[in-house]
Amino acid sequence: EVQLVESGGGLVQPGGSLRLSCAVSGFTFNSYWMGWVRQAPGEGLEWVANINPDGSQKYYVDSVKGRFTISRDDAKNSVYLQMNSLRAEDTAIYYCATIYCSNGVCQFFNYWGQGTLVTVSS
Amino acid sequence: DIQMTQSPSAMSASVGDRVTITCRASQGISNFLVWFQQKPGKAPKRLIYAASSLESGVPSRFSGSGSGTEFTLTINSLQPEDFATYYCLHHKSYPLTFGGGTKVEIK
Repeated sequence: EVQLVESGGGLVQPGGSLRLSCAVSGFTFNSYWMGWVRQAPGEGLEWVANINPDGSQKYYVDSVKGRFTISRDDAKNSVYLQMNSLRAEDTAIYYCATIYCSNGVCQFFNYWGQGTLVTVSS
Repeated sequence: DIQMTQSPSAMSASVGDRVTITCRASQGISNFLVWFQQKPGKAPKRLIYAASSLESGVPSRFSGSGSGTEFTLTINSLQPEDFATYYCLHHKSYPLTFGGGTKVEIK
């Protein structure tokens, strides 16, 4: 059974930092791209970042470039989102999700975690 | 950047109705489009990928169509468990963008 479990969310002051983790099981982690998607309270979905299987390719939405860093540790079957210089507008539920690519065709976000809430407030 | 315009943003429908939701891309995205369903307090669930391919285990009353810039999610004979919010997502290029969502409510 595929499982993704996020952790690391919480309350942080503006300008502060948090590191989100997503531990996965039930599939061959080192064959998958991984992504983070967030959802502000009462709002829609927003893609945040993606990382390829060997960690050499990383993509970010403009609003987090230079502040957030996506990374992965295949030995721990985990993907991370380091969030620095947090702003009130970063307040959201953060979901990790899988992306499977084969022969140039990618399947986006077929498995999701349950999400972790990040609140940026003083 | 490619923008995804989803309509309507909300709708009321009855059990048994046929529901159609549209996503329009600001430029051609071929069939690089996914549809998700999200219920309150839950993670999104993928329904359709590659614009028209039904995810395994998703009821056949859900269908997707379109290519290029115009895409449609159709729910035939709406069921009580289908009341939810639906989102499209393009993955033609970065940045990936979601549509604004369509909330399907009970009439």
